Amino acid sequence: DAGITQSPRHKVTETGTPVTLRCHQTENHRYMYWYRQDPGHGLRLIHYSYGVKDTDKGEVSDGYSVSRSKTEDFLLTLESATSSQTSVYFCAISAETGDNSPLHFGNGTRLTVT
Amino acid sequence: RKEVEQDPGPFNVPEGATVAFNCTYSNSASQSFFWYRQDCRKEPKLLMSVYSSGNEDGRFTAQLNRASQYISLLIRDSKLSDSATYLCVVNPNDYKLSFGAGTTVTVRA
Repeated sequence: DAGITQSPRHKVTETGTPVTLRCHQTENHRYMYWYRQDPGHGLRLIHYSYGVKDTDKGEVSDGYSVSRSKTEDFLLTLESATSSQTSVYFCAISAETGDNSPLHFGNGTRLTVT
Repeated sequence: RKEVEQDPGPFNVPEGATVAFNCTYSNSASQSFFWYRQDCRKEPKLLMSVYSSGNEDGRFTAQLNRASQYISLLIRDSKLSDSATYLCVVNPNDYKLSFGAGTTVTVRA
């Protein structure tokens, strides 16, 4: 399995608090992604990175920010958590884009905002 | 309209049966297509890429129909271990894959 570690695995937090999720990879892949998964929806892209300090928004980026200061780490921050951000968050990596390099996912972070 | 749509199922089939399901996509310019498998409360894992000519991997066969904008997955000789949710994934551009919500398959003994 690809070397991707997400932390924490589970978190419960209160509305209005900041939360940071971490994704760490040991594959030296260029591309990193943050998705959220909710019942009835496919995985939805929050933000992605195509290199150190190079990031861009996905389809559901409101309320989230990211940072990538090193190849191996991609952080997702909820500046002020809301109940609508209760979800399962997956980090993914790929060496390239397109069909030459599929995504490999971390094992997810279950976030509950009360 | 969602970019990728799947029948959520569930498809309940006996061991040894064949099960098939489709996924439709809205962006005719999409170039890459994949099937991922996701077990309950686990991360998605790549099952297979889908090529224009269709492709097979053991008991799994994937087909692409560009004219009608759908891809299909067929599982032959179903095993209990095939029980999972199958995610259809389409690449409308290089960075942003679009995921379907998944089709649940349950194989019973």
